[in-house]
Amino acid sequence: EGQLVESGGTLVQPGGSLRLSCAASGFSFSNFWMSWIRQAPGKGLEWVANIKRDGSEKYYVDSVKGRFTISRDNAKNSLYLQMNDLRAEDTAVYYCARGRGLDPWGQGTLVTVSS
Amino acid sequence: DVVMTQSPLSLPVTLGQPASISCRSSQSLVYSDGNTYLSWFQQRPGQSPRRLIYQVSNRDSGVPDRFSGSGSGTDFTLKISRVEAEDVGVYYCMQGTHWPPWTFGQGTKVEIK
Repeated sequence: EGQLVESGGTLVQPGGSLRLSCAASGFSFSNFWMSWIRQAPGKGLEWVANIKRDGSEKYYVDSVKGRFTISRDNAKNSLYLQMNDLRAEDTAVYYCARGRGLDPWGQGTLVTVSS
Repeated sequence: DVVMTQSPLSLPVTLGQPASISCRSSQSLVYSDGNTYLSWFQQRPGQSPRRLIYQVSNRDSGVPDRFSGSGSGTDFTLKISRVEAEDVGVYYCMQGTHWPPWTFGQGTKVEIK
């Protein structure tokens, strides 16, 4: 079935940086695309980024292009999201999910951007 | 970008009664491989989203058979044949045909009357 566990969320000031991690287990990580999705407080779901199995292709929602970088380490079964120049509107719970079909999801990690 | 529009946004239902959620896309979701990449997700209060349905009508493992998906082209529907208390939450449709970006509907909140 697979399990995903996110970490790294915290309170950060506007303009700051943060790196989120997603640890995968229970499936062959290197065989799957991986995705990040976020949910602002009280709002709906927004796809943020995803990355191909070998890291050769990466895609981003327009609002984070140039600021966020998705990466992976298949040897460590881990997915990452480097977030730079953070803004108040980036405040959200960030989920990682397996594949482009988004199944399953992790429990999420909260990123709060505030001074 | 493909816009996904759900209706209604709020759906009060009586336990044991059916419920139906509509999702419309701004473009046909038929991909060049002939498949239609439309999924449905359930988010119970305080929980992470969980995929229920993929490619319009395929139920994920462990999803009760009271959930069903249908539709084609630009019009899709999620039906719950008999609503149970554990079905309370927000339901989202998502398209994965015209990417990037992958886009979600606004969400439909299902609550018990």
